[in-house]
Amino acid sequence: DAKTTQPPSMDCAEGRAANLPCNHSTISGNEYVYWYRQIHSQGPQYIIHGLKNNETNEMASLIITEDRKSSTLILPHATLRDTAVYYCIVRFRGVQGAQKLVFGQGTRLTINP
Amino acid sequence: ETGVTQTPRHLVMGMTNKKSLKCEQHLGHNAMYWYKQSAKKPLELMFVYSLEERVENNSVPSRFSPECPNSSHLFLHLHTLQPEDSALYLCASSQDRLVSYEQYFGPGTRLTVT
Repeated sequence: DAKTTQPPSMDCAEGRAANLPCNHSTISGNEYVYWYRQIHSQGPQYIIHGLKNNETNEMASLIITEDRKSSTLILPHATLRDTAVYYCIVRFRGVQGAQKLVFGQGTRLTINP
Repeated sequence: ETGVTQTPRHLVMGMTNKKSLKCEQHLGHNAMYWYKQSAKKPLELMFVYSLEERVENNSVPSRFSPECPNSSHLFLHLHTLQPEDSALYLCASSQDRLVSYEQYFGPGTRLTVT
């Protein structure tokens, strides 16, 4: 099972781009990279996912390196409401084929005014 | 209502009580999940249901008993819990369990066992 490594915490100024790195050096060819975030005392919120190509949606951009061993989540114009714990997850199939999301410790991102 | 809802949002129960947590999804999804999030720990997957059939049980103690009467509703029945079971219990749903659809989470139930 591919595991992920993220810095435990990061700070970013409001209005600037927040770049959150994730290492997943043991990822296999059919595993996707997912990003979720969890604002304090709320349920996690899906942000974006990708397999090989870079992806962009209304919330963020996901840049995956060519060897797929690492990725970066980019919040282009961070606001105070983006303060949360961000989880990088590699999705794998469990023994019975169920979709599993294994959450690590994540990166606690603090947006400063 | 839209999305995934959970009730109650907060629950305090004694170790001899029996209570149930309820989750409802309004997204037309086929798979539903229970997660546990203890303080300072990552989320832990507890149960997975697909089309009302339990497809995964991650070695959860029998004092937690899930029930999925239909694809929109999921319950977690609790009895004789321990103080260490105090945690945030999160429900999630996804369109399908076998492909890489994103999971949508409810707001959680904050459970305190006294």
